[in-house]
Amino acid sequence: LAKTTQPISMDSYEGQEVNITCSHNNIATNDYITWYQQFPSQGPRFIIQGYKTKVTNEVASLFIPADRKSSTLSLPRVSLSDTAVYYCLVGGEGTYKYIFGTGTRLKVLA
Amino acid sequence: DVKVTQSSRYLVKRTGEKVFLECVQDMDHENMFWYRQDPGLGLRLIYFSYDVKMKEKGDIPEGYSVSREKKERFSLILESASTNQTSMYLCASRKQGNEQFFGPGTRLTVL
Repeated sequence: LAKTTQPISMDSYEGQEVNITCSHNNIATNDYITWYQQFPSQGPRFIIQGYKTKVTNEVASLFIPADRKSSTLSLPRVSLSDTAVYYCLVGGEGTYKYIFGTGTRLKVLA
Repeated sequence: DVKVTQSSRYLVKRTGEKVFLECVQDMDHENMFWYRQDPGLGLRLIYFSYDVKMKEKGDIPEGYSVSREKKERFSLILESASTNQTSMYLCASRKQGNEQFFGPGTRLTVL
């Protein structure tokens, strides 16, 4: 499994766009990039998944450059309720042993 | 709506006790997972099951065992609880692909 590196923490203000970048230099050809969100005292929740270029859903956008060695999760106009830990995972379809790591702790300030 | 439930939110046990953590999903998912989450270490995979009665070790299986007799239920067993097993335990299930659905977690304290 490809190792991922992401910032330990980030601060932002309400209404701003937040971009969290994940580095995965050893990504394999059949690997997907998946992001999860975890609020305090809850289990992680799937946000978005992509393979290349750009994916957008009602929660976030995921940007993946052509070389796929990194990816950026973009959260538009964050609110206080977006304060959470965000995990970047890399693995093939149906991988069992995902590495969640410690994620990025995002704090949104008023 | 998708649902994964865990038997307890909080549990306090004594060293040496046998501990059962239960996880139930109502989504007819084939795959189920047990993780533990500790500050500074993130989520670590203990065991997973890809079908009924099938189980595989994750990254940190020592001191744990699992049971999956029915598709909807995946149990984590601590044969003899120790203080270093104090942690948050998270169960997840998945049908296909990469999206795992997590339960609310059980915070276990071993005294």
